[in-house]
Amino acid sequence: AQRVTQPEKLLSVFKGAPVELKCDYSYSGSPELFWYVQYSRQRLQLLLRHISRESIKGFTADLNKGETSFHLKKPFAQEEDSAMYYCALSGAGSYQLTFGKGTKLSVIP
Amino acid sequence: DSGVTQTPKHLITATGQRVTLRCSPRSGDLSVYWYQQSLDQGLQFLIQYYNGEERAKGNILERFSAQQFPDLHSELNLSSLELGDSALYFCASSVGGLSGGRTDTQYFGPGTRLTVL
Repeated sequence: AQRVTQPEKLLSVFKGAPVELKCDYSYSGSPELFWYVQYSRQRLQLLLRHISRESIKGFTADLNKGETSFHLKKPFAQEEDSAMYYCALSGAGSYQLTFGKGTKLSVIP
Repeated sequence: DSGVTQTPKHLITATGQRVTLRCSPRSGDLSVYWYQQSLDQGLQFLIQYYNGEERAKGNILERFSAQQFPDLHSELNLSSLELGDSALYFCASSVGGLSGGRTDTQYFGPGTRLTVL
């Protein structure tokens, strides 16, 4: 069975401080990992995926297969980063996404 | 705007009733996915359709069913509603849906909030 765990329901950081949103997963094969974000009053949208290895809005995430983690990081938090963040996993050959329960990031001005 | 539309935005009904939620995918997308988001369970995958055919099933109750029509819009039917079915129901769409290869980016709709009283 595949599972995604986001251990923090709420994370508060000051503007300009580093941010790390944790995501641990359980999957027996080679998964695809994603981070989705939901800003206030907006729909869920893809932030980044591990395959792309890109930085979006200053966020990066590295897939650590040894530790089965896909933590989301940003060196300097901005107020506009305040949102709900969901880590998601897709198994090999599957388009179905398994989501974590989400972490609410609050950036304090 | 991702282009996925869902109607209605809100739905309030009573236990035992039946409701239909509607989703129109982005232009050109062949796959439609349904998710349920509740406070205790988070976002859970229910079912996927690709070009009119059921492709994958998740944690969908037998009281729930879905279909995708020739024009690619999809409907999620919820029957014999219970208090615990109160949740936000999301629809998402993607270009592909066939197994193998990279997972398509899924584009989400705004959701339908169902309240069962």
